[in-house]
Amino acid sequence: DGGITQSPKYLFRKEGQNVTLSCEQNLNHDAMYWYRQDPGQGLRLIYYSQIVNDFQKGDIAEGYSVSREKKESFPLTVTSAQKNPTAFYLCASSYSGTTDTQYFGPGTRLTVL
Amino acid sequence: KQEVTQIPAALSVPEGENLVLNCSFTDSAIYNLQWFRQDPGKGLTSLLLIQSSQREQTSGRLNASLDKSSGRSTLYIAASQPGDSATYLCAVCGSGYALNFGKGTSLLVTP
Repeated sequence: DGGITQSPKYLFRKEGQNVTLSCEQNLNHDAMYWYRQDPGQGLRLIYYSQIVNDFQKGDIAEGYSVSREKKESFPLTVTSAQKNPTAFYLCASSYSGTTDTQYFGPGTRLTVL
Repeated sequence: KQEVTQIPAALSVPEGENLVLNCSFTDSAIYNLQWFRQDPGKGLTSLLLIQSSQREQTSGRLNASLDKSSGRSTLYIAASQPGDSATYLCAVCGSGYALNFGKGTSLLVTP
């Protein structure tokens, strides 16, 4: 089955810890994205990557880091510098660039204890 | 900065009604506009994508229109069903390579 997978589905973190959220796609898409969703808010872009070994900051990149070493993988690390990390995190991919539909994974819900 | 607004924030209709969801955006320099559906606690499902050169797109009971010059889009749902209950999100793709989302319209279709 083709698609985007995110793991884990639920993640709990203690304050001061870094955690990494996984995003994998087997759609052969060049572009991948990370969004954050808070209750009552629209999705906000954290980072995006157009090609392997290249990524760009989105609107709310502070306290987050990413890597794109493989085409199919785009992991997101939530660092201890992120002041309010409790949220629903969504990964997406598209074939390329601006005119293509973005396909979303099922999301990871991160809770800071 | 692109601002996307969706009206109404919530809507409740009886089964069988036709309904319209509205989306407006402030910068008309867009590549495309997408409508998504989100069920509680789930990811987004793409419903329709309208390129900037297009006026509308249709899929089954859904029809989306785009008026780029006025910064507006509508999603029309015909003969609504309880299974249509979800949050509907509008997103525009402008400068850069990612989407700017509205806050969504929460739809409840009652039997």
